[in-house]
Amino acid sequence: SYELTQPPSVSVSPGQTARITCSGDKLGDKYACWYQQKPGQSPVLVIYQDTKRPSEIPERFSGSNSGNTATLTISGTQAMDEADYYCQAWDSNTGVFGTGTKVTV
Amino acid sequence: QMQLQESGPGLVQPSETLSLTCSVSGGSISSYSWNWIRQPPGKGLEWIGYILYSGDTNFNPSLKSRVTISIDTSKNQFSLKLSSVTAADTAVYFCAREVMVRGYGMDVWGQGTTVTVSS
Repeated sequence: SYELTQPPSVSVSPGQTARITCSGDKLGDKYACWYQQKPGQSPVLVIYQDTKRPSEIPERFSGSNSGNTATLTISGTQAMDEADYYCQAWDSNTGVFGTGTKVTV
Repeated sequence: QMQLQESGPGLVQPSETLSLTCSVSGGSISSYSWNWIRQPPGKGLEWIGYILYSGDTNFNPSLKSRVTISIDTSKNQFSLKLSSVTAADTAVYFCAREVMVRGYGMDVWGQGTTVTVSS
């Protein structure tokens, strides 16, 4: 079965840039999405189709996807960005979530 | 603004069938794929399956033998049944919609409902 692997944790200082990777076989040939989840809350879509942001998501969130790796970048990280982040892709009509990354600011 | 709300028993006996419903308000149930996702305590997200307005379904291979997803367009609801549950099925269960364009992501989620499998 298809797997998406993320680092368990990323630590970043306020105002700095956080990069979260998501690795999967030929992931660049698929679309990647990213979700933010804060404790006790439902996930929120922050990036879709590799690079696009929903209108309500701040510009400091950006995404890329090439080769075997998709990356979520948070520029000028703020305390409110502290959360768990999950990548997600579709493999033959089967949904797959990444292992998740806890971002500590 | 579309909203989703999960409902169902919070406690299920081992070996029984877990049944949940997701009610859709603020819009039509057509034109989207309707997904179920779960999250065991302290763990990550796991996709369970989806159903389309047409009734077509697709499931996580690891759960496929135990999962049924159905849709009731007249009530703007879709439902999940998971049979032969064990403690490993204890989780928060979410419903979510995705626009039927690949890669658009699940942009609307329910608040989640906690299901505990225990005698």
